[in-house]
Amino acid sequence: TQLLEQSPQFLSIQEGENLTVYCNSSSVFSSLQWYRQEPGEGPVLLVTVVTGGEVKKLKRLTFQFGDARKDSSLHITAAQPGDTGLYLCALRRARTGANNLFFGTGTRLTVIP
Amino acid sequence: NAGVTQTPKFQVLKTGQSMTLQCAQDMNHNSMYWYRQDPGMGLRLIYYSASEGTTDKGEVPNGYNVSRLNKREFSLRLESAAPSQTSVYFCASSDQPGSSTDTQYFGPGTRLTVL
Repeated sequence: TQLLEQSPQFLSIQEGENLTVYCNSSSVFSSLQWYRQEPGEGPVLLVTVVTGGEVKKLKRLTFQFGDARKDSSLHITAAQPGDTGLYLCALRRARTGANNLFFGTGTRLTVIP
Repeated sequence: NAGVTQTPKFQVLKTGQSMTLQCAQDMNHNSMYWYRQDPGMGLRLIYYSASEGTTDKGEVPNGYNVSRLNKREFSLRLESAAPSQTSVYFCASSDQPGSSTDTQYFGPGTRLTVL
């Protein structure tokens, strides 16, 4: 059973369009991270959200953490070909120890020039 | 500052062969991790090392062993490879694993195929 569900699994859009991808969990978590992974590379952290209702912006990317801290969304405005990649959300459970980060299955985004 | 490095980048094995995947980090991080990434499954934790001298099982440890050689290096060994171990393997490191804002830094991955 997946702890985290991401949707959609695949998304192909034209350059300049807007898009939103979602990350949902049945559990409450202490924080959530979004990573982007480009082909042939490892994931790279984009943002960490900690507070319910929190909104963070990173240039054309807007990240929102649900009020109940069980879901998150990533909105990209005016997508560019450089945004192409696999977007992974990862939740951190409120427990001590190094094994408390769990990844979703990812949304694979393709932005067509 | 190379971050996290992994070798080899690609490997093809026959069923039953053994191999060791190497990982090193130069960020002086205490914690290191091994993940596998399979289509539709996301990243799954195989083993981790919270600090030098300690290792613990993650979500999918069967068929693997690890060694935390020193603070910099964390290796993953497949003693008798099976086709189900065909995957992309990522090593990661972090400095504050108990913190809600801890960041994991990933290597470029090793793409392993077991025939």
